[in-house]
Amino acid sequence: NAGVTQTPKFRVLKTGQSMTLLCAQDMNHEYMYWYRQDPGMGLRLIHYSVGEGTTAKGEVPDGYNVSRLKKQNFLLGLESAAPSQTSVYFCASSHLKNYGYTFGSGTRLTVV
Amino acid sequence: KNEVEQSPQNLTAQEGEFITINCSYSVGISALHWLQQHPGGGIVSLFMLSSGKKKHGRLIATINIQEKHSSLHITASHPRDSAVYICAALQETSGSRLTFGEGTQLTVNP
Repeated sequence: NAGVTQTPKFRVLKTGQSMTLLCAQDMNHEYMYWYRQDPGMGLRLIHYSVGEGTTAKGEVPDGYNVSRLKKQNFLLGLESAAPSQTSVYFCASSHLKNYGYTFGSGTRLTVV
Repeated sequence: KNEVEQSPQNLTAQEGEFITINCSYSVGISALHWLQQHPGGGIVSLFMLSSGKKKHGRLIATINIQEKHSSLHITASHPRDSAVYICAALQETSGSRLTFGEGTQLTVNP
């Protein structure tokens, strides 16, 4: 089925380790986003991209980097994981402005 | 004060009841989304609306742009409607950024 695929679905990291979360969409959407979801805080935007080769910071970008080398993929990197980055991460994509969003199924990350 | 606020935070209903979840926002928007998230699951977009009312099955969403208020209604609620419902405002800024409410946890008992 067409949609947004996130990998991995679960991961446990030790403090200081690095990892990359992959988001792939097959709907030819221009815009892609990375959000984190924490209890009592709702979803918050980490980084986003309005097209291939472009990225921009969201509300909570510190400690994360992103890349969008191909239109269909949006990577979220943690260079040195911290316990405060324990969260559920969602990727989403949308086609131009005012089109509906499609979300991935989420990645549950625990940093110990 | 959050830019998008939902009420109530938690809602418990009996099967068959009519349910209303409210959303107020303080930012300028081009549209408003209602999303559904099941326990341990992903997020599904239910509605995107910029004016008036939309209906899909037992779900109805309304928005009043002047009052900056939207409501999600569920008619003849069912236990399978139990989920977190999230209101999100689509701001007219670069990247079509969504600002989310904290969500309403709905539990429908049989």
